[in-house]
Amino acid sequence: ETGVTQTPRHLVMGMTNKKSLKCEQHLGHNAMYWYKQSAKKPLELMFVYSLEERVENNSVPSRFSPECPNSSHLFLHLHTLQPEDSALYLCASSQDPLGGANVLTFGAGSRLTVL
Amino acid sequence: GQNIDQPTEMTATEGAIVQINCTYQTSGFNGLFWYQQHAGEAPTFLSYNVLDGLEEKGRFSSFLSRSKGYSYLLLKELQMKDSASYLCAALDSNYQLIWGAGTKLIIKP
Repeated sequence: ETGVTQTPRHLVMGMTNKKSLKCEQHLGHNAMYWYKQSAKKPLELMFVYSLEERVENNSVPSRFSPECPNSSHLFLHLHTLQPEDSALYLCASSQDPLGGANVLTFGAGSRLTVL
Repeated sequence: GQNIDQPTEMTATEGAIVQINCTYQTSGFNGLFWYQQHAGEAPTFLSYNVLDGLEEKGRFSSFLSRSKGYSYLLLKELQMKDSASYLCAALDSNYQLIWGAGTKLIIKP
């Protein structure tokens, strides 16, 4: 596979469930990102990892927990979510997040519905 | 605060030309991106402007005026496959991307 792959594409969970979103990039990029996309709202940056180290956490609630075991894989662990967390979660990668105009390559997203 | 404004939705006719505007207010400026996102798909990179002027890539062109805090994406010879959302994003002085909410472009036959 090429590019950025996200699984699952769709997820429905109850507020007490624990689930994880997975992202894999096959581009040899050094940085990976999680974004939240809600209808008619700007993309919200959640987390940034550079060379497997978290470099940014934009005041995201602790019910979202990221994990980056290596430069090709990124997870978003979900626990006790709220209905307002229902959204499209996009993973992206770039060559380098620190400085410069980095083009992001996005995955197709995981559509999350919290009941 | 930092802000990006772009129209929520636009409609155009197949074969015509459409211009999608984007105005930005950021703390410093290091360039402006346009991405295209088809429904249910990943956003994909279209263009990056950091200097004033027009850059053309086939049917798509992007314009930037730094003094006015303004950019536009120009799509010529519209095709049905151009129906998508177009996302504008500006890089601030810390190289943080500030995103607009996107413009949904509907192409009619």
